[in-house]
Amino acid sequence: EAQVTQNPRYLITVTGKKLTVTCSQNMNHEYMSWYRQDPGLGLRQIYYSMNVEVTDKGDVPEGYKVSRKEKRNFPLILESPSPNQTSLYFCASSLSGTSGSSYNEQFFGPGTRLTVL
Amino acid sequence: QKEVEQDPGPLSVPEGAIVSLNCTYSNSAFQYFMWYRQYSRKGPELLMYTYSSGNKEDGRFTAQVDKSSKYISLFIRDSQPSDSATYLCAMSGHRDDKIIFGKGTRLHILP
Repeated sequence: EAQVTQNPRYLITVTGKKLTVTCSQNMNHEYMSWYRQDPGLGLRQIYYSMNVEVTDKGDVPEGYKVSRKEKRNFPLILESPSPNQTSLYFCASSLSGTSGSSYNEQFFGPGTRLTVL
Repeated sequence: QKEVEQDPGPLSVPEGAIVSLNCTYSNSAFQYFMWYRQYSRKGPELLMYTYSSGNKEDGRFTAQVDKSSKYISLFIRDSQPSDSATYLCAMSGHRDDKIIFGKGTRLHILP
């Protein structure tokens, strides 16, 4: 089954304790992205990656790191989490970004609910 | 002014009504206009997209883009309770793979 998986689905942690949220897709997609979703603020892009070893900042990259060493995986790293990073996180992937008049649909993972105490 | 503005609702309408959802934007470089639907506790799913201006129809759904007014709309005809969800508009520029989402509008279709 074609899908985007995220782990863990739920995580409660404490301020300053490094954590990694994994994201994996089995569709051979080039484009992958991380978003956070907060009440009243909507869905905001954190980082995105056009391909292996190519990453770029989205709208809210502060406090996050990413890496893209393999095409299928795009982990999100919080080196020193803080309470303002408590949020619902989504990973997404698509065949590529935009191309000509075509938009390649982003497929979203199930989400990771993170609480930082 | 935020790049993309969307009324968060909630919007409640009776079953069978025509629903109109809207977003405004400020960045004239946007070329791709998308509508995603998100059910509770799920990730967003693409409903429709439009490139540049014009209308696009898919079953009960119609997407419209008016670039001169920087205004996009999604119409849902013959609305059903299963249409109850949050609808997010999203936009991207040509050859720009950063995607900006609206805050989403919560829609309730009352049986």
